[in-house]
Amino acid sequence: KAGVTQTPRYLIKTRGQQVTLSCSPISGHRSVSWYQQTPGQGLQFLFEYFSETQRNKGNFPGRFSGRQFSNSRSEMNVSTLELGDSALYLCASSLAGQVLRNYTFGSGTRLTVV
Amino acid sequence: AQSVTQLDSQVPVFEEAPVELRCNYSSSVSVYLFWYVQYPNQGLQLLLKYLSGSTLVKGINGFEAEFNKSQTSFHLRKPSVHISDTAEYFCAVREETSGSRLTFGEGTQLTVNP
Repeated sequence: KAGVTQTPRYLIKTRGQQVTLSCSPISGHRSVSWYQQTPGQGLQFLFEYFSETQRNKGNFPGRFSGRQFSNSRSEMNVSTLELGDSALYLCASSLAGQVLRNYTFGSGTRLTVV
Repeated sequence: AQSVTQLDSQVPVFEEAPVELRCNYSSSVSVYLFWYVQYPNQGLQLLLKYLSGSTLVKGINGFEAEFNKSQTSFHLRKPSVHISDTAEYFCAVREETSGSRLTFGEGTQLTVNP
């Protein structure tokens, strides 16, 4: 059974550009959550999608957005990149319909903004 | 809002020694508690979780944790560590009312020396 796949694994962008990261969940998983990991702020929740709808959102500026497609794949977009957006972005998928469903995390996309 | 504090940022130990990684949380509602491990350049792997019932929880790789409601703690223990346990460990809490959002501690780097 394939795990959670995040692409690309590494990315270098320039300040002011925008970036799109992709997450393919485990087959059958309909919920996808995104987290940002930085040395200074640690792991912070970005948002969660289920059945193409955003169900929960963390405290990030509007430059951070996401979406989910009908096949449960998710993308997150960051516009007008800042140096502080350099981070490891982790995606996690889980089964729907369970109150305490386990997350399975992908290996992440490491974004460097220069 | 909930918060999680991992009391030690770095824990060095010798191989085959016991280890305890400490975690305290604060929340005004019922919570579910988790420990994750992260190896270099990888995502997060679930070690164990406390949902309800027995306060002593056993996880993978010989780890266990004890939930102490009165002290709001969820310390992780292993009686004998291996070199391969070297990694960063994260304690996380999910409130009953916050959906699937996890709040993570700052992480503890466990280094096992020969």
